[in-house]
Amino acid sequence: EAGVAQSPRYKIIEKRQSVAFWCNPISGHATLYWYQQILGQGPKLLIQFQNNGVVDDSQLPKDRFSAERLKGVDSTLKIQPAKLEDSAVYLCASSLGERRTNTGELFFGEGSRLTVL
Amino acid sequence: RKEVEQDPGPFNVPEGATVAFNCTYSNSASQSFFWYRQDCRKEPKLLMSVYSSGNEDGRFTAQLNRASQYISLLIRDSKLSDSATYLCVVAELMNSGYSTLTFGKGTMLLVSP
Repeated sequence: EAGVAQSPRYKIIEKRQSVAFWCNPISGHATLYWYQQILGQGPKLLIQFQNNGVVDDSQLPKDRFSAERLKGVDSTLKIQPAKLEDSAVYLCASSLGERRTNTGELFFGEGSRLTVL
Repeated sequence: RKEVEQDPGPFNVPEGATVAFNCTYSNSASQSFFWYRQDCRKEPKLLMSVYSSGNEDGRFTAQLNRASQYISLLIRDSKLSDSATYLCVVAELMNSGYSTLTFGKGTMLLVSP
């Protein structure tokens, strides 16, 4: 079974530039997550989709970050304009996403490592 | 947003040692609890769920104390391959009816020969 696919794996940009990350979840997984992991810290949830609807985006810096999941499958996360503190690994994850139950098993992609200079 | 707290370590232990990690969470309404493992420069992967009655998977034992809002992970007979960061994860039920998972910062374990 194919895992969660993410691209690009690495991206280096200058501050104030824009960047976009793409994620293709495991087939049949209704829930898709974007996490930000800064070096030395745990993953921080940015946004959670259930199919193509947003379940939680309370920690998404909406002035510069946006995400969409058109058609309830692939997702893109965009940062515009980037700041130095956005340097992190952006992890996409997916899960089956049953309502009111949670096996806790998120399947993560390998991540997209962003460096902002 | 509710917090999940862990000692960042690192915990340096020799092979064969027993080591325990603790985690506290602030939301008493949290539903479910998990331990994830993250190898250096890799993605996190589910290690095990944590049940109220405690559960064991080989050399790994997880326990939950809801009254104290405390979760633990015990690793017996440590192997070199156990070296990784262990992330405590708490699931909270949202108004939408779906759960969201909050990760702690992780505890680093280094097992030496």
